[in-house]
Amino acid sequence: DTAVSQTPKYLVTQMGNDKSIKCEQNLGHDTMYWYKQDSKKFLKIMFSYNNKELIINETVPNRFSPKSPDKAHLNLHINSLELGDSAVYFCASSQPQTTNEKLFFGSGTQLSVL
Amino acid sequence: GDSVTQMEGPVTLSEEAFLTINCTYTATGYPSLFWYVQYPGEGLQLLLKATKADDKGSNKGFEATYRKETTSFHLEKGSVQVSDSAVYFCALSDGSSNTGKLIFGQGTTLQVKP
Repeated sequence: DTAVSQTPKYLVTQMGNDKSIKCEQNLGHDTMYWYKQDSKKFLKIMFSYNNKELIINETVPNRFSPKSPDKAHLNLHINSLELGDSAVYFCASSQPQTTNEKLFFGSGTQLSVL
Repeated sequence: GDSVTQMEGPVTLSEEAFLTINCTYTATGYPSLFWYVQYPGEGLQLLLKATKADDKGSNKGFEATYRKETTSFHLEKGSVQVSDSAVYFCALSDGSSNTGKLIFGQGTTLQVKP
């Protein structure tokens, strides 16, 4: 069983559209994250939720709205997509208090905005 | 704020060569340090970590020592294989909070040729 799974793996869409990326973890972790990796491989945190509560929001445009219906899921909805949103988006989870800060990553969603 | 700087890539080596990827950091507090590896088309995986000064993390022939005096955590391997070709990320944790947030370096691409 995949520990952190995200869908879709690839997403190609037009500018101005709205799209969602889903993420689920079956590790029982309390904390989930979204990271963005740009074309130069630079990886930056976007959001973090702990037990459905937002704890990190790193200066991300409000077109990006994370939603956590329960602690095993953290979805990312993006409104009015722009060319600059093209990137690979990674979901991750951890249990900071017990697994010594180790992050478990999904395999990524490659978003291409045309 | 806290930051991580890695040597620029790509690094191209022949099989069985010695590998060093430099990583330096700036941080307040006492962060843990990590190396993550990203194989093509996959998410990041933890390679090794060190939680305090002078600790050495090691895994799969890779090792790195937490050097507080030089604020460094260089990754080394004595004899690389083609299968080590990947992107390597140095990272630190935010030691002053319990959010599990990691700050990543820009990644270093390693290409190993037969």
